[in-house]
Amino acid sequence: GDSVTQMEGPVTLSEEAFLTINCTYTATGYPSLFWYVQYPGEGLQLLLKATKADDKGSNKGFEATYRKETTSFHLEKGSVQVSDSAVYFCALREDSGGYNKLIFGAGTRLAVHP
Amino acid sequence: ETGVTQTPRHLVMGMTNKKSLKCEQHLGHNAMYWYKQSAKKPLELMFVYSLEERVENNSVPSRFSPECPNSSHLFLHLHTLQPEDSALYLCASSQVDSMNTEAFFGQGTRLTVV
Repeated sequence: GDSVTQMEGPVTLSEEAFLTINCTYTATGYPSLFWYVQYPGEGLQLLLKATKADDKGSNKGFEATYRKETTSFHLEKGSVQVSDSAVYFCALREDSGGYNKLIFGAGTRLAVHP
Repeated sequence: ETGVTQTPRHLVMGMTNKKSLKCEQHLGHNAMYWYKQSAKKPLELMFVYSLEERVENNSVPSRFSPECPNSSHLFLHLHTLQPEDSALYLCASSQVDSMNTEAFFGQGTRLTVV
């Protein structure tokens, strides 16, 4: 079945450092890809998405490009802030008759220090 | 009130208790989901209701019983749970048959079974 693999954390960075969180997927079709973020004590919030190959999703300084040839959707940010500390989840949406059957990675915890 | 609201936020229950988790969405969506988030494990999709009909049940034990009385409300009835059922239970909603739909999550119910 479809699956998502993302790098294990925690990732610890200093403020203004460059961030990369790797995500690769396995899917039989051409799924939509997502990054969700979970701040402490909260639910998941959609951070960005891409629906087809070579699409770039971006939001709040974060970017990820849908790479079909490498089946990857790595999350990047040029300069992280303390407020970016959270758990980040990569996910794909299976084609299941329209409803959102999301397959998640295990999550990567990011800690940003001043 | 907007978005997806879950109550209670925290719940402690004994193994012989019966309790219910509630989810309400104010987004006009027609699909609702229950996910389980355990420590160090990927999010697990438990149930999906689309147009008030259960369309997915991922081999969830019968001690978890979902109910979707209308498109805005979703319940998860719990009885005779085990300690390993302790987790964060997340509700989500989305619009079916929309190409750009995405899932919106509630803040979750932190369940502890003692």
